[in-house]
Amino acid sequence: GAGVSQSPSNKVTEKGKDVELRCDPISGHTALYWYRQRLGQGLEFLIYFQGNSAPDKSGLPSDRFSAERTGESVSTLTIQRTQQEDSAVYLCASSSIGGGTSGSRNIQYFGAGTRLSVL
Amino acid sequence: EDQVTQSPEALRLQEGESSSLNCSYTVSGLRGLFWYRQDPGKGPEFLFTLYSAGEEKEKERLKATLTKKESFLHITAPKPEDSATYLCAVQAWAGKLIFGQGTTLQVKP
Repeated sequence: GAGVSQSPSNKVTEKGKDVELRCDPISGHTALYWYRQRLGQGLEFLIYFQGNSAPDKSGLPSDRFSAERTGESVSTLTIQRTQQEDSAVYLCASSSIGGGTSGSRNIQYFGAGTRLSVL
Repeated sequence: EDQVTQSPEALRLQEGESSSLNCSYTVSGLRGLFWYRQDPGKGPEFLFTLYSAGEEKEKERLKATLTKKESFLHITAPKPEDSATYLCAVQAWAGKLIFGQGTTLQVKP
């Protein structure tokens, strides 16, 4: 597609359940990022994939959070045993190249996000 | 520690009343400073990227500038459709963006 696609757009779950959020990046983009945005807050980095390199997981808040990416395509963010504090909008972004390089290829393009509500 | 601070948190303007938004940052090894616009219920939309002090970029009523410690987003003669949250972010070596809390702009007709 023309942009970053995320699904579902909304997810309501019960505390303790596992959820999976999906991201389809822009075709050809090698770098993929996940961010979390709590209500009224700025974006908080979670994890970053660049090609075949080991992902940068430094932003994951706990071991309940994990993410996978198949090659240079779809990524899935999984939250196990969800808690109420996990309620937020989860945003995915992609760019044509990752960090360490200047230039327009560093621009991250965002999807519309998945709004997660944990009851 | 890498950090981004935006001010003010909220700004109300009358249509045509020019103003500026501030983004102060501390980062080791700046690879770029980014401005995004975010409308309610949507993902951030890219506006500008600046790479070195003294650089300026313009788009319609918006102009972004960069110094070694801060960036400004100048809004000239704003219209109601400019109402949104404006996000500033810096990128260091790790690739990730470090965002400020954003400035919510409301432009009244």
